[in-house]
Amino acid sequence: NAGVTQTPKFQVLKTGQSMTLQCAQDMNHNSMYWYRQDPGMGLRLIYYSASEGTTDKGEVPNGYNVSRLNKREFSLRLESAAPSQTSVYFCASSFVILGGQPQHFGDGTRLSIL
Amino acid sequence: EDQVTQSPEALRLQEGESSSLNCSYTVSGLRGLFWYRQDPGKGPEFLFTLYSAGEEKEKERLKATLTKKESFLHITAPKPEDSATYLCAVQMINGGGADGLTFGKGTHLIIQP
Repeated sequence: NAGVTQTPKFQVLKTGQSMTLQCAQDMNHNSMYWYRQDPGMGLRLIYYSASEGTTDKGEVPNGYNVSRLNKREFSLRLESAAPSQTSVYFCASSFVILGGQPQHFGDGTRLSIL
Repeated sequence: EDQVTQSPEALRLQEGESSSLNCSYTVSGLRGLFWYRQDPGKGPEFLFTLYSAGEEKEKERLKATLTKKESFLHITAPKPEDSATYLCAVQMINGGGADGLTFGKGTHLIIQP
């Protein structure tokens, strides 16, 4: 039982390049999330998907797009990478009915933009 | 503005020396407060959920408590393997974001043998 799996684990990009971060969960959760974690700051929500077929913006969505491919998979795309997007990206999932359920996280993608 | 503040930022203890970590929050309506543990190079690992003032949860050497304004994570007789960053997060009633979490910056805990 893998939980939440993120790929790749590490990536280095040049400014202006594009890439997609992949996330898959095997817990049959309905909601999925993308966060970024920067030194000296708490995790911040980028985008979320409350259920298959829906996505919406979080606190820091600029420069990102997402796709909820199916119930298991939720990808994050950087169309034109900028140095300010250097960060550690975490995907999480949760089974949300009335709320108050914990989110379960993957081990992150460490992304450097040169 | 909703906020989550954790203190101290860093804490160094001797093995066996008990202490507490603090998480204070200002939200309009709390659906739940969550504690996570994060090891270097890993994602946050869920520890506890607290829903209402007065509630307490325990797991091994850890005990989490909740009041209307803050939560404490008490660590009793810690061991070196308890060294990690401990994160506090809140989930708001009608907060949108499909119950997205608002995180504090964490407390970096080091337990010396």
